Amino acid sequence: DTEVTQTPKHLVMGMTNKKSLKCEQHMGHRAMYWYKQKAKKPPELMFVYSYEKLSINESVPSRFSPECPNSSLLNLHLHALQPEDSALYLCASSQESRAGDPDTQYFGPGTRLTVL
Amino acid sequence: AQKVTQAQTEISVVEKEDVTLDCVYETRDTTYYLFWYKQPPSGELVFLIRRNSFDEQNEISGRYSWNFQKSTSSFNFTITASQVVDSAVYFCALRGSPSGGSYIPTFGRGTSLIVHP
Repeated sequence: DTEVTQTPKHLVMGMTNKKSLKCEQHMGHRAMYWYKQKAKKPPELMFVYSYEKLSINESVPSRFSPECPNSSLLNLHLHALQPEDSALYLCASSQESRAGDPDTQYFGPGTRLTVL
Repeated sequence: AQKVTQAQTEISVVEKEDVTLDCVYETRDTTYYLFWYKQPPSGELVFLIRRNSFDEQNEISGRYSWNFQKSTSSFNFTITASQVVDSAVYFCALRGSPSGGSYIPTFGRGTSLIVHP
């Protein structure tokens, strides 16, 4: 089973709203990722959690706040977003042994976010 | 720094035609990993193949085949007898080894494949 689930599928929010995106995997993967993808562009890495600790933050604005409550869950808390933040937000996970080679990332279906 | 180039922005074919999607990469790592993903209109990136730099064997999976050539830094993807369901954006990606400092995946810009009935 190589499934990563994401909720909600679609989200419309105003610039003053607070919302959260959720991601879940049950493959026993120890690394989880958030990506942002604009139309006709490749995914852009935002955050990486490795063994439930934030290991990479690609200079993402503080209005995006990630959280990894446990090894299966990854949240992205959104607050005071801008219209230009409208995009497809993809979650991914990978096995990632501590000293091993980079494993395949498996992606969820994404959340299409529209900021009004 | 590593780089992935997918020079073909969009390819349009008629069903049953064969089509090759090009991927050229640059990296200073001696150990690295190449991937192909398919992104249909629904949005999910579907993993297709992973290849490490020490394995230059070509691979075939049904109608899909991959040609990895280190000498030309290319990892091309061929779909034989294309079908409408193959219509999607295809991304080539590169990851270096953790010790090489290029651990963060680098994606190409993607090639949009349109298969007409």
